[in-house]
Amino acid sequence: ENVLTQSPATLSLSPGERATLSCRASQSVSSSLAWYQQRPGQAPRLLIYDASNRATGIPARFSGSGSGTDFTLTISSLEPEDFAVYYCQQRSNWPLTFGQGTRVEIK
Amino acid sequence: EVQLLESGGDLVQPGGSLRLSCAGSGFTFRSYAMSWVRQAPGKGLEWVSGVGIDGVTTSYSDSVKGRFSISRDNSKNTLYLQMNSLRAEDTAVYYCAKSTAPGKHCFDSWGQGTLVTVSS
Repeated sequence: ENVLTQSPATLSLSPGERATLSCRASQSVSSSLAWYQQRPGQAPRLLIYDASNRATGIPARFSGSGSGTDFTLTISSLEPEDFAVYYCQQRSNWPLTFGQGTRVEIK
Repeated sequence: EVQLLESGGDLVQPGGSLRLSCAGSGFTFRSYAMSWVRQAPGKGLEWVSGVGIDGVTTSYSDSVKGRFSISRDNSKNTLYLQMNSLRAEDTAVYYCAKSTAPGKHCFDSWGQGTLVTVSS
């Protein structure tokens, strides 16, 4: 199983600040990595697919980068609605796996 | 607008069975692979099972292999998950999720989830 490790577990930031979230895979996934946002009580929402492509309707402040085993999700300037939990997911190997999540909280 | 509506979640005793359904609308259901993803209370996301457009190609996580069975009925635009030999650790909200494109198993649409509780 390809284990995805996200860091940090929690990120405490203020609105307007830049958020940088990391996802590291135990085996290479090439660029087959996605990022999701989950707000409390809601289903996950796809933000980024294939490492760097924004999904439909996702604001430009969200960007993804990386390949192989190391990936980054960047939120350039946090809006109040961005405080949530973020998950990475790889689709390169079966079984599909998710990271354990990074919580972005208001400082 | 894509909609996925899960149903079938319930309280069930350990060792029991349950069948979840997910009705899709607003897209060509037969053209997309589908998956079930679960989330235990207060925990992260766990992919459970996926099925290809043909309904024949299926995959399972090790935690449910041999106990759960995924299927689809393209004539009814419905995805199913048959869950047998349920355990306390299967307690979770179960989401159905639509793949973004053929061969691309990341998920651009999700249902609202259905709660399965396994307890005596």
